Amino acid sequence: GAGVSQSPRYKVTKRGQDVALRCDPISGHVSLYWYRQALGQGPEFLTYFNYEAQQDKSGLPNDRFSAERPEGSISTLTIQRTEQRDSAMYRCASSLRAGQGRNSPLHFGNGTRLTVT
Amino acid sequence: AQSVAQPEDQVNVAEGNPLTVKCTYSVSGNPYLFWYVQYPNRGLQFLLKYITGDNLVKGSYGFEAEFNKSQTSFHLKKPSALVSDSALYFCAVRDQAGTALIFGKGTTLSVSS
Repeated sequence: GAGVSQSPRYKVTKRGQDVALRCDPISGHVSLYWYRQALGQGPEFLTYFNYEAQQDKSGLPNDRFSAERPEGSISTLTIQRTEQRDSAMYRCASSLRAGQGRNSPLHFGNGTRLTVT
Repeated sequence: AQSVAQPEDQVNVAEGNPLTVKCTYSVSGNPYLFWYVQYPNRGLQFLLKYITGDNLVKGSYGFEAEFNKSQTSFHLKKPSALVSDSALYFCAVRDQAGTALIFGKGTTLSVSS
């Protein structure tokens, strides 16, 4: 595909359940980012990868949140024991170059809207 | 720590008039600055960036932004607004360490016909 693909588009889950959100970046993009966006707010950084290596996870709110990118392409953000406060839009983005390519713009997917009831 | 401020929640302009969406930033060292636009039910789309060089940066859809180091600002501008420019606009900054892109809270631009 031409862009960043995220699935599912919408996810409704009950409190206490685990959820897995998937991101398929643009082919060949080195860096992959996860953001969370609450209604009326800007995207909040969660974590990012260069290839398969998780470079920064300082934005993950707590240890219920984890992410992986085992083969350096598709990534999964997992939230365990979901809580109502986890409800938000979760956005994935990829960029072409890592490291010195810090001026590379991010290309965002359409996001996964998570609702925890 | 990096931060971005967008002081206006909403900007209203009439079609054909010039528009400005304000952004100020705080970062260690030289900043990398970006503007993104978000249309309803869509992902964020890159508009333009400032890395080095000319303080006036031109981007997509006729938008431009002016970098002002002394005022630590990066305001988004367009000489003549279109109704189709109505959307949510985000300013973002990254420092030279090049980790996360930090976003402002966004400004809703409403262009009336």
